[in-house]
Amino acid sequence: NAGVTQTPKFRVLKTGQSMTLLCAQDMNHEYMYWYRQDPGMGLRLIHYSVGEGTTAKGEVPDGYNVSRLKKQNFLLGLESAAPSQTSVYFCASLQYTEAFFGQGTRLTVV
Amino acid sequence: SQQGEEDPQALSIQEGENATMNCSYKTSINNLQWYRQNSGRGLVHLILIRSNEREKHSGRLRVTLDTSKKSSSLLITASRAADTASYFCATEETSGSRLTFGEGTQLTVNP
Repeated sequence: NAGVTQTPKFRVLKTGQSMTLLCAQDMNHEYMYWYRQDPGMGLRLIHYSVGEGTTAKGEVPDGYNVSRLKKQNFLLGLESAAPSQTSVYFCASLQYTEAFFGQGTRLTVV
Repeated sequence: SQQGEEDPQALSIQEGENATMNCSYKTSINNLQWYRQNSGRGLVHLILIRSNEREKHSGRLRVTLDTSKKSSSLLITASRAADTASYFCATEETSGSRLTFGEGTQLTVNP
């Protein structure tokens, strides 16, 4: 039982490049979330999903897209990376009440 | 703007003292949760309090919830150096399934 696994753990992108962050959970949770955390700040919700095939916008969705084709996977895409998207990205899954977090992806856009 | 706001932003205490952190939120909630984050790591769930509860205990943690004031507090008793971390409140809103976090309190416990 691995919990929530994020890949990759680190990435450096050039401005304008695209990439996809993968979040995988093996707990059969319905709800999944993508957050970004900037230095000294809390987590801001980017997008979330309440089940396979569903997605919804969070607080800061611009510049990101998501997909939940399979229940266990939640993908976060950056179509054209910008320096403002330099951040640490966390994925979480939730069933009933407790959220379980991945270890984060540190993304730098230069 | 974020749903939850914590204060203080930073708290420094000596080992053995109690630490109190506060959280305010804006909308109606199903529950409020507290999480801990060690530097550079993911968040770990500490305790949950439902909207119909006023107080909850778990070990050295005590959480209170005042829905009329839309606020919560987390008390850590007899703090230890290992309690040094950032603490975040999170609310699950009644209007949907969004789980939103406050900006956190950085707690430093000095040995």
